[in-house]
Amino acid sequence: GDSVTQTEGQVTVSESKSLIINCTYSATSIGYPNLFWYVRYPGEGLQLLLKVITAGQKGSSRGFEATYNKEATSFHLQKASVQESDSAVYYCALSVGNMGYKLTFGTGTSLLVDP
Amino acid sequence: EAAVTQSPRNKVAVTGGKVTLSCNQTNNHNNMYWYRQDTGHGLRLIHYSYGAGSTEKGDIPDGYKASRPSQENFSLILELATPSQTSVYFCASGDKGQGEAPLFGEGTRLSVL
Repeated sequence: GDSVTQTEGQVTVSESKSLIINCTYSATSIGYPNLFWYVRYPGEGLQLLLKVITAGQKGSSRGFEATYNKEATSFHLQKASVQESDSAVYYCALSVGNMGYKLTFGTGTSLLVDP
Repeated sequence: EAAVTQSPRNKVAVTGGKVTLSCNQTNNHNNMYWYRQDTGHGLRLIHYSYGAGSTEKGDIPDGYKASRPSQENFSLILELATPSQTSVYFCASGDKGQGEAPLFGEGTRLSVL
C-alpha cells in the first residue's frame, strides 16, 4: 500500500534559524501522487499548510516551501528562518489519483522553536 | 465559510459503553472521513463515505461503525468502547478531483476508562 515516512519525531530549532523536515513517500496505488503538508498548532485542529500535485513543482505558504521530487520520492518541508509561532506538529500526507481519495499520513514531526 | 464541526470536543466513556462521535460539514462535499491520531502513528483512516447512505472501511475499521444519514452528517460509533480506543479523532470532508485537500475539524479527544 501507499506509505509516508517522516524520520524525525521531534525537532528543536532556535528562532531565526533554518528548518528542514524530511518526508519520503511510496505510492503503489494507480494514479498520480498528490502531496500535502498539514499542520496542527497547539489547541487547534489540523489545517492544510501547502500542497503540490505536479512533479517538479514547489508549493509555498507562510514562508514554508516544499518541492515534489518524483525521482527521490521526497517532499521535504523547509523554512529559511523559523519563528516561535511556528511551533506545531507537521504532517506530510499523500493521496493518489483524482477521486479526492483518502490521505495517507506520515507519523508527524513536532517542531519546537526556542525563542 | 467552509467548516467541519465535531461534537463532542471531549468525551470520557466507560469500557463496554457505547460512544457516538458526530461530524457536520457545511461545504457540500461528497466525501467524509474519520481518522484517529495517536503518537507515533500519525493519522490513520477508520471509515470514509462517498455520499449519503454510503460507508466504506478504511485502514483500521475494527471496533468502529460509521453512519452517513445525509450529505452534511457523518457519525462514528463505538458499540463497545475499549481503552485501546482512547485517542484523538478527526473528521474531514473533501471532494473528488486531482489534489483535493480535505478540510478537517478540530478533533474530539476520547478517553475510555
